Amino acid sequence: ETGVTQTPRHLVMGMTNKKSLKCEQHLGHNAMYWYKQSAKKPLELMFVYSLEERVENNSVPSRFSPECPNSSHLFLHLHTLQPEDSALYLCASSNGQGNGETQYFGPGTRLLVL
Amino acid sequence: GENVEQHPSTLSVQEGDSAVIKCTYSDSASNYFPWYKQELGKRPQLIIDIRSNVGEKKDQRIAVTLNKTAKHFSLHITETQPEDSAVYFCAASRGSGNTGKLIFGQGTTLQVKP
Repeated sequence: ETGVTQTPRHLVMGMTNKKSLKCEQHLGHNAMYWYKQSAKKPLELMFVYSLEERVENNSVPSRFSPECPNSSHLFLHLHTLQPEDSALYLCASSNGQGNGETQYFGPGTRLLVL
Repeated sequence: GENVEQHPSTLSVQEGDSAVIKCTYSDSASNYFPWYKQELGKRPQLIIDIRSNVGEKKDQRIAVTLNKTAKHFSLHITETQPEDSAVYFCAASRGSGNTGKLIFGQGTTLQVKP
């Protein structure tokens, strides 16, 4: 499946490191999303970008910083993370036509913070 | 705030039996209800969705029903097979504007025993 891709697929980082997650969608969509998936918890929406503008920030700590340079690419910059930030980070995209948006997910980045 | 409750959290059935997963939502303005299946180590994938102008939708062995008055919707899988084993997530959205924010349920782990 190549609709939504994410890199890296796995990442181990220390609490003082800075890293970035990358998402790319090849579906011509105009909205992109970052989700956090932790064990035994529902998918938590972190950020939403529509037409490259951030339209939602769900009270996410500032150590997570999103960037959307164009409608096909989305980044999540990470710095000074905590062990509890270890999770699967999923990117998704959709075509916002105002009639119910099916979201298509990437494979995720499995993040471990030591 | 907006909330989606999903039950049960785990479900074990014998191959060939039916499985039913139920969700309730709090936002009466919700009008789009997708269901995602996430196999172990893979991305969530849309399996079926329903909009508020219909009460039931069927696709082969899976069906979804919606009761807007009671604000609940259910996923029905008939003639279950071992490959149906996965985590299933329901979600609800207002489906308006460009963001289509999805509120996810907590997930149901379905195990189909051969």
